[in-house]
Amino acid sequence: TQLLEQSPQFLSIQEGENLTVYCNSSSVFSSLQWYRQEPGEGPVLLVTVVTGGEVKKLKRLTFQFGDARKDSSLHITAAQPGDTGLYLCAGLIGGYNKLIFGAGTRLAVHP
Amino acid sequence: DAGVTQSPTHLIKTRGQHVTLRCSPISGHKSVSWYQQVLGQGPQFIFQYYEKEERGRGNFPDRFSARQFPNYSSELNVNALLLGDSALYLCASSLEWSGGVRTGELFFGEGSRLTVL
Repeated sequence: TQLLEQSPQFLSIQEGENLTVYCNSSSVFSSLQWYRQEPGEGPVLLVTVVTGGEVKKLKRLTFQFGDARKDSSLHITAAQPGDTGLYLCAGLIGGYNKLIFGAGTRLAVHP
Repeated sequence: DAGVTQSPTHLIKTRGQHVTLRCSPISGHKSVSWYQQVLGQGPQFIFQYYEKEERGRGNFPDRFSARQFPNYSSELNVNALLLGDSALYLCASSLEWSGGVRTGELFFGEGSRLTVL
């Protein structure tokens, strides 16, 4: 059974702080996505990483895919209240677009 | 461009009833997936359809069924509802391939929140 574990589950920080969220598995994924979900809405795709060791930057967000394609991290620099939300990682398995999601990291950034 | 649209957005049912949820994918997307998201958890895969054929099924009982229509819209049906079926049901559309790579990128609707009493 493929399983994606995210840590921490909850994170409450002050505006301006840096943070890192982790996504780990014992399975190898052909690609991994990060989504952000706000209350009452569906998840919104932030980034897709495909190659082991790949690093992608999206403004203040930096995403890294592990060399073995089993884990990933999301680093946010100088967090802002607008970053508040549920961050989900999801790994692609099988021959079709079936994603395995982690349980998410709920981030709260206070002004 | 319209995104993924789902209906209804909220509904309340009682145990034993059945429910039909509807989804229209992004124009040009031929693949539709359904996910169940229970409060406090990440989405769990239920079904994927591509070109009207079921391509994948998650670990859900036979009470759950789905279909895709010629216009690529989709329905999710759940029979004999249980209290544990209360959840946000998410529909996502995707391109099977993008730039020659199967990326698995999903574009989600806002979901249908089902409450079973």
